[in-house]
Amino acid sequence: DAGVIQSPRHEVTEMGQEVTLRCKPISGHDYLFWYRQTMMRGLELLIYFNNNVPIDDSGMPEDRFSAKMPNASFSTLKIQPSEPRDSAVYFCASSPYPGLAGGTYEQYFGPGTRLTVT
Amino acid sequence: TQLLEQSPQFLSIQEGENLTVYCNSSSVFSSLQWYRQEPGEGPVLLVTVVTGGEVKKLKRLTFQFGDARKDSSLHITAAQPGDTGLYLCAGASGSNYKLTFGKGTLLTVNP
Repeated sequence: DAGVIQSPRHEVTEMGQEVTLRCKPISGHDYLFWYRQTMMRGLELLIYFNNNVPIDDSGMPEDRFSAKMPNASFSTLKIQPSEPRDSAVYFCASSPYPGLAGGTYEQYFGPGTRLTVT
Repeated sequence: TQLLEQSPQFLSIQEGENLTVYCNSSSVFSSLQWYRQEPGEGPVLLVTVVTGGEVKKLKRLTFQFGDARKDSSLHITAAQPGDTGLYLCAGASGSNYKLTFGKGTLLTVNP
């Protein structure tokens, strides 16, 4: 399996522009997570999906951020309009269903998208 | 809000030394995971601990989950330059699939 795929790997944009980050999860995984990582705040969960349905978006910082998962193999995170404080590395991760026995689950991370907003 | 505090924040040691890093919380977790992240890459899962007092070994790495399931430690024996990276702990609560991550310990092992 190719693992979680994210694109682009690097994005530089000007304040006010729209930014779209893309993610292809591992085939067969039921859960998809979007994280943001900065030096100051560490790794923060923004939103996660189960079977393409958003379950918890309480980590989305504000209305400028939106995420969609139109099908099991694709998700997007959009920032509109972007601001310099959005500069960070954005990770997508996917996870299989842990099973009815209540087993633990593993999250598989993509390589991330480094976003710089000037 | 559940918080995980990791210490130390930075650690620089020589090859061959032993080290321990810590992950502490005031909250109880149903399971705790350790990840390692290398520059320019995403975190990679090392281990999951579930039972209070559990000890797991992965080659030179030993992971322990506290009896009360509020804290964990990672011990590395005879560290090697390949161990360099950011070590993150992450806690899960109940059936909630959300993970709470600590800010990590950045380990540098010098040859």
